[in-house]
Amino acid sequence: DAGVIQSPRHEVTEMGQEVTLRCKPISGHDYLFWYRQTMMRGLELLIYFNNNVPIDDSGMPEDRFSAKMPNASFSTLKIQPSEPRDSAVYFCASSLGGDGYTFGSGTRLTVV
Amino acid sequence: AQSVTQLDSQVPVFEEAPVELRCNYSSSVSVYLFWYVQYPNQGLQLLLKYLSGSTLVKGINGFEAEFNKSQTSFHLRKPSVHISDTAEYFCAVGSNSGYALNFGKGTSLLVTP
Repeated sequence: DAGVIQSPRHEVTEMGQEVTLRCKPISGHDYLFWYRQTMMRGLELLIYFNNNVPIDDSGMPEDRFSAKMPNASFSTLKIQPSEPRDSAVYFCASSLGGDGYTFGSGTRLTVV
Repeated sequence: AQSVTQLDSQVPVFEEAPVELRCNYSSSVSVYLFWYVQYPNQGLQLLLKYLSGSTLVKGINGFEAEFNKSQTSFHLRKPSVHISDTAEYFCAVGSNSGYALNFGKGTSLLVTP
């Protein structure tokens, strides 16, 4: 398996633009997680899915953030409109139950 | 809810010396505990995990950790570190009520010759 695949690796966008981050989890994993990493706040859980259904989105910072998982092999995290304070590394991770996550390589987002 | 405290933000150590990275957790339910390592510009990689059973857990790259329920700790140890162990290390806690993990702030391990 190729692991958890995230795209793009880097994204630079202007304030106010829409940003879409993508994730392909490991085949057979039933949980998918989106995290944001910053120096100030560390790793923050944004939202997670179980069998494609959102379970907890209490970590999504604002209505500008939304996430979807239309099928077991794909998820998106969208920010609209983007702001400079959204600049961070966004990680997707998947797991089979509570057996521990496999992380993707992350998307480094810079909003200017 | 569970939470994790990593007691040291930075740990400098000489090559071939032993190291211990400290992690304490708080939880009102049975926990799952994990250590992850992050190399620069990469994602997090699982080092080891405690789900149940033996309290001494061995992981990759010669690391091990001991689950101590009475002290609510899960410290990571390695008897002899290498330069290549220089990285950020994260302790994480979860439970069987959803499997989402809460991560500590991380400990930066710097190994020098």
